[in-house]
Amino acid sequence: EAGVTQSPTHLIKTRGQQVTLRCSPISGHTSVYWYQQALGLGLQFLLWYDEGEERNRGNFPPRFSGRQFPNYSSELNVNALELEDSALYLCASSLWGNYGYTFGSGTRLTVV
Amino acid sequence: AQRVTQPEKLLSVFKGAPVELKCNYSYSGSPELFWYVQYSRQRLQLLLRHISRESIKGFTADLNKGETSFHLKKPFAQEEDSAMYYCAVMEYGNKLVFGAGTILRVKS
Repeated sequence: EAGVTQSPTHLIKTRGQQVTLRCSPISGHTSVYWYQQALGLGLQFLLWYDEGEERNRGNFPPRFSGRQFPNYSSELNVNALELEDSALYLCASSLWGNYGYTFGSGTRLTVV
Repeated sequence: AQRVTQPEKLLSVFKGAPVELKCNYSYSGSPELFWYVQYSRQRLQLLLRHISRESIKGFTADLNKGETSFHLKKPFAQEEDSAMYYCAVMEYGNKLVFGAGTILRVKS
């Protein structure tokens, strides 16, 4: 069974640019979660999508947004990039939340 | 909001010694608690869930509601247990809130 896949693995962007990160959940998982892991800040919850709808959102500004497609894959978009957006962005999926999440390997974003 | 506290950034033990990774939480209801582990150059993975009362790789964790703790224990540490360990609590809205993590280093 394929795990949660994320693309790209690394990217470098300039401050002010926009970026799109992609995630494919485990087959059969309908929920997708996005987390930011910035240096020194731990794992911070960004977004939860289920059945194509945004269900919950963490304390991030509106320039962090995303969507979930009918095949349950998801995109995370970050507009007007700032230096402090540099982080590892993790995607996870689950069938039911109380079974825990399965994480992808992440996308390392560097903003210069 | 629920909070998770892992008081130790680093725990260093010798091979064969007992291990206890501490986790304390604050909650406003009946918590669902998890331990995740991240080995070097690997992705974050679920180690165990309190609702299943399982033992994975020799690790166990007991929920102590009185002390609001969910410490992770193993009687005899092995070198391959060296990793970053995260305690997490499921908050309302399917939001998994993680502690800051504890690095476990098992020395030979």
